[in-house]
Amino acid sequence: ETGVTQSPTHLIKTRGQQVTLRCSSQSGHNTVSWYQQALGQGPQFIFQYYREEENGRGNFPPRFSGLQFPNYSSELNVNALELDDSALYLCASSLGVASSSYGYTFGSGTRLTVV
Amino acid sequence: AQSVTQLDSHVSVSEGTPVLLRCNYSSSYSPSLFWYVQHPNKGLQLLLKYTSAATLVKGINGFEAEFKKSETSFHLTKPSAHMSDAAEYFCVVSDQSLAGTGRRALTFGSGTRLQVQP
Repeated sequence: ETGVTQSPTHLIKTRGQQVTLRCSSQSGHNTVSWYQQALGQGPQFIFQYYREEENGRGNFPPRFSGLQFPNYSSELNVNALELDDSALYLCASSLGVASSSYGYTFGSGTRLTVV
Repeated sequence: AQSVTQLDSHVSVSEGTPVLLRCNYSSSYSPSLFWYVQHPNKGLQLLLKYTSAATLVKGINGFEAEFKKSETSFHLTKPSAHMSDAAEYFCVVSDQSLAGTGRRALTFGSGTRLQVQP
């Protein structure tokens, strides 16, 4: 059973540019969530995708958007990058509809630096 | 709304001594609670989870946590620290249902950095 794979592992972008981060979910998982972890802080929920639709969003502006594909992999897109977008972006996949069936598997993250 | 407070940003222990990492939570519903560990340049690994079964939860690597509803606490403990336990630890709560699926977003605490001295 493969885990969650994220790419790239590191990325440097210039303020104002756009970036796409990718996530392959764990085999059999149909839900993908994205989190932003700023330096020295805990991860913050960005949004979740289920059946190729956004299904819940945290306190992030619309320039943060995403996609989920039929194979359950996902992309996180950030437009008009700001310096404060520099962070570790984590992807988590999960499966299950019952409230107690939490099995979140996290990837190792993409380290984004905006200069 | 849900929230998590990790009471110590840094904890330092000697190898072989007990570990206590403190966590208090706030939740409008019956929460599910987790502890995750993050080693440098690595993803998050689940240590243990509480989902309204036994209040004393045993996890991996000898860690355990006790859910105390009256104190709204979920402290993480380990009887004897090992050098490999040095990492960042996150207490996490989940109680907000996302519409349509029953799945819930996770709210993380700010983390506790555990140092283990030889």
